[in-house]
Amino acid sequence: GAVVSQHPSWVICKSGTSVKIECRSLDFQATTMFWYRQFPKQSLMLMATSNEGSKATYEQGVEKDKFLINHASLTLSTLTVTSAHPEDSSFYICSAEVGEETQYFGPGTRLLVL
Amino acid sequence: GENVEQHPSTLSVQEGDSAVIKCTYSDSASNYFPWYKQELGKGPQLIIDIRSNVGEKKDQRIAVTLNKTAKHFSLHITETQPEDSAVYFCAAHMKTSYDKVIFGPGTSLSVIP
Repeated sequence: GAVVSQHPSWVICKSGTSVKIECRSLDFQATTMFWYRQFPKQSLMLMATSNEGSKATYEQGVEKDKFLINHASLTLSTLTVTSAHPEDSSFYICSAEVGEETQYFGPGTRLLVL
Repeated sequence: GENVEQHPSTLSVQEGDSAVIKCTYSDSASNYFPWYKQELGKGPQLIIDIRSNVGEKKDQRIAVTLNKTAKHFSLHITETQPEDSAVYFCAAHMKTSYDKVIFGPGTSLSVIP
């Protein structure tokens, strides 16, 4: 299957700082990528849909000014958590779309905000 | 709104037995149903998927069935092995709003050696 990478795999930061997470499709081009957040023992919650060359579409309740998404190329999307706070601590997972429906997920990034 | 339900939330089986996980969806226009396996601390891995023009699909020990009329779909794992232990998520590709995939709440499967 298609391979998606994420970097970093985990990050610890102080409250008030910003953190950038990269999502790359390694062996294919992805016009559309997705960003999810997952709390312990819960399902994946879609945060936003990222389309190459255009603005991301955010789900209801997700602050676009706090979670900045950039999809500048067909193989890279970035999520920046601005002014992170402890409640932003979570497991962030990206996926890249192949065709019109199939999503392949990255390994996830665990964020801990102190 | 769009919703995907999944049962059971936890499932324990003896090694070698079969495991069945069931899901229902609300959007009758949904046409794509993937299943993901997520091991602890990792991202979800696509294990099998089915489209609405097919009633059943099999890949070695894994099979998925779809009943479009009842809006049900199920994952069947036969001859379970300890390495099958993980959280399994069903999902449905919704079309009522803009296209997006809705995930079920997950099933934690434990295969007891």
